[in-house]
Amino acid sequence: ETGVTQTPRHLVMGMTNKKSLKCEQHLGHNAMYWYKQSAKKPLELMFVYNFKEQTENNSVPSRFSPECPNSSHLFLHLHTLQPEDSALYLCASSQDGLAGGNIQYFGAGTRLSVL
Amino acid sequence: GENVEQHPSTLSVQEGDSAVIKCTYSDSASNYFPWYKQELGKGPQLIIDIRSNVGEKKDQRIAVTLNKTAKHFSLHITETQPEDSAVYFCAASKSGGYQKVTFGIGTKLQVIP
Repeated sequence: ETGVTQTPRHLVMGMTNKKSLKCEQHLGHNAMYWYKQSAKKPLELMFVYNFKEQTENNSVPSRFSPECPNSSHLFLHLHTLQPEDSALYLCASSQDGLAGGNIQYFGAGTRLSVL
Repeated sequence: GENVEQHPSTLSVQEGDSAVIKCTYSDSASNYFPWYKQELGKGPQLIIDIRSNVGEKKDQRIAVTLNKTAKHFSLHITETQPEDSAVYFCAASKSGGYQKVTFGIGTKLQVIP
């Protein structure tokens, strides 16, 4: 176990549905991330939160809405998605500060299929 | 921004042989280079990393080399075993707890028993 737990592991949704992905880290980290992983593409950073504040939004469409209520929890709210949004969504966390370098610990991901 | 190129995209080796994966980066300010291994059904896991003040780092059968002048770094796996079969990602970033990490496209390594 990496200390980062994502639920659900698999999700199938229609284009008109609203769903949420959840991520929880038990590592005492202060930074959390959402990535999108598609076949034959590099990992795409979507959002970064540091001490609950969003520090990066990598030009992500508004149909993806992140929420970080505290340093241990991160959500990704989904609505009116498109079929091309089907991918593996990965959550990661890292320790803030220079001493921690930038080692990111990943969850197992949520495999999302949009029909 | 940073751009990381990785090759080959797929690599097949016989068990016991060595495997080498190469990456180049574009931003000379990058100073932290992790390598991640992703097994089927799991997220990427850090296997080794190197910082810019070091040219080489080893951990048992895994080693990473860094050439800052040429802006390239490589992963070397010796005496490969079937459990080394996975997708390997190189990455580059600046130091700091929440700096953006730029990943390569990944190399699917298959170790043939």
